[in-house]
Amino acid sequence: EVQVVASGGGLVQPGGSLRLSCAASGFTFSTYWISWVRQTPGKRPEWVANINEVGDIRYYLDSVKGRFTISRDNAKNSLYLQMDSLRVEDTAMYYCAPNRVDWGQGTLVTVSS
Amino acid sequence: IVLTQSPGTLSLSPGERATLSCRASQSVRTTSVVWYQQKPGQAPRLLIYDTSSRAPGIPDRFRGGGSGTDFTLTISTLEPEDSAVYYCQQFADSPNTFGQGTKVEI
Repeated sequence: EVQVVASGGGLVQPGGSLRLSCAASGFTFSTYWISWVRQTPGKRPEWVANINEVGDIRYYLDSVKGRFTISRDNAKNSLYLQMDSLRVEDTAMYYCAPNRVDWGQGTLVTVSS
Repeated sequence: IVLTQSPGTLSLSPGERATLSCRASQSVRTTSVVWYQQKPGQAPRLLIYDTSSRAPGIPDRFRGGGSGTDFTLTISTLEPEDSAVYYCQQFADSPNTFGQGTKVEI
């Protein structure tokens, strides 16, 4: 059974940091491009970043470049998102999204003072 | 790549057919187009990948198609539980993008 579980969200002040994690199972993790996607209520999902199968190609949404870092550990079937210099507008539900695989539940990030 | 979905809202009765459109601002390879269904309070659920392949567990009344810049999701015989917002997404190019969604009301 395919499982994708995001974790690590929480409440953080503007300027703070969080590290999101994603644990995957039930598919060959190391053969998939994977993205982080975020969504606020009533809005369409927004792609944030993605990483290729071996972790040496990464792309970012312009508004998070220089603040967020995506990485992966194929030995642990895990994906990460280091989020620094967080802004109020980064508040959203964050999903781990392997291409062509169901996302599972996300993790909520709230940036507020 | 900008994805434009139409119509914004579709109001239909059970048993009717729904046809949802997703138009891309430039050609997208078919292996990079997916469709999601999202119900209130839930995560998006993968319906279709590679333009026309159903994800595991998805009923065969959901059918995807298209090529180039025009893609469609067809729900052949609507069931009450198909009420949801449907999004298309492309990951042929970064930034990956989503359409604005089509709300299907039954």
